[in-house]
Order: sequence, then structure tokens, then C-alpha cells
Amino acid sequence: KAGVTQTPRYLIKTRGQQVTLSCSPISGHRSVSWYQQTPGQGLQFLFEYFSETQRNKGNFPGRFSGRQFSNSRSEMNVSTLELGDSALYLCASSRQAYNSPLHFGNGTRLTVT
Amino acid sequence: TQLLEQSPQFLSIQEGENLTVYCNSSSVFSSLQWYRQEPGEGPVLLVTVVTGGEVKKLKRLTFQFGDARKDSSLHITAAQPGDTGLYLCAPGSSNTGKLIFGQGTTLQVKP
Repeated sequence: KAGVTQTPRYLIKTRGQQVTLSCSPISGHRSVSWYQQTPGQGLQFLFEYFSETQRNKGNFPGRFSGRQFSNSRSEMNVSTLELGDSALYLCASSRQAYNSPLHFGNGTRLTVT
Repeated sequence: TQLLEQSPQFLSIQEGENLTVYCNSSSVFSSLQWYRQEPGEGPVLLVTVVTGGEVKKLKRLTFQFGDARKDSSLHITAAQPGDTGLYLCAPGSSNTGKLIFGQGTTLQVKP
């Protein structure tokens, strides 16, 4: 069974640009969540999509957005990039079940210069 | 927001040593999950503890959930270099993908 796939693995962007990251969940998983990981703040929840609808949202500015397609694949977008957006962005998928584990991809490393 | 404190923040030990890391909170949890993240990879679930006082073993790893379900510990016996990674705890999810993780414990096991 294929795991969660994130593309690209690495990305370098300039301040002010925008970026789109992609996530393909495990087949059959309808929930996709996004997390930002930095050395200072740790692993922080960005948002979750389920059946193409945003179900939960973390405490991030509106520059961070996402969407989910009918095949459960998800994208997240960050507009007007700032230096502080440099981070590892992790996507996770899960089944719709209590205490169901999150299955993470290996992340996209975004560097903003 | 439930605040989880993990300690120690960093731990560097020699192969063969034992260690314990902690996950503490003032809140009561219905369950708690432990994940390990190896360098260059995403976190992977190790265990979910549900019952107060519960002890779960995964080979050389022993997980304990506090009686009051406010804290948990992870004990590793005879650590190996393959145990190196970031250990994260989070309250179990109520069937959503939103988890609030602790800051984690970075473990380095030197050969």
C-alpha cells in the first residue's frame, strides 16, 4: 500500500512569491491535514480537509490556504512568502476513526530567501 | 488549547544506555499518542495509550500512561543508534486529523 506522497521534496523561493505544495494521501483516506515544522515552534497544525471541505483550521494567517480534490488529493498554498515561512511542511492522511493514527509524508522543505 | 510539555528537550547518550522521556500536562486526556520522527522523514505512530496506568511494550520501548491520564513516559532499554530521532507526544484525536503536538524530545544515540 503506497504511503503519503508529497511533492516537491525541496523548494527555494524568494520573499513575496507564492508557492503550492501537493499531497497524495493513502488510498481510502479521506482526511488530509497539513502541518508546519520549524526548530523554534515545533510541529504546528495548519488545517485539515475532509471530503473537499476544510474541517479544522490552526492559528495561521490567511496567506496559508489549502484545498482538497474529489480524489482526496490536497494542495496547500502560501502567498506573499516571508522569511519566517521557511519550514518543513508535512501532510498527513488518516481514516475517519477515533484515535486513528496520522500517516505522514516525508514533507516538503521550503526555503524562503 | 491543551499544552503538552516534553522533557528533556535534547538527549545524547551512548549505545546500550537506558533512558526515559516524559510528556506532561495539566489537562486530562482520553488517550495519548507517541510518534517518532527520523531524520528526513515524517513522524510515525509508535503507540496509543488509552487507559490510566496502562503500560504498553514495543520491543525495547515501554510506554506508560499516568493514572490520572495527564502524563505519559517512554522508557527505552539498551538504546541503539536506530532509536535516534525526534519523539513527539500528542493527545489522541477525536477522529479528526488535528493533533496538538508537544515540542518533542530529540534523541541521539551514539555507537
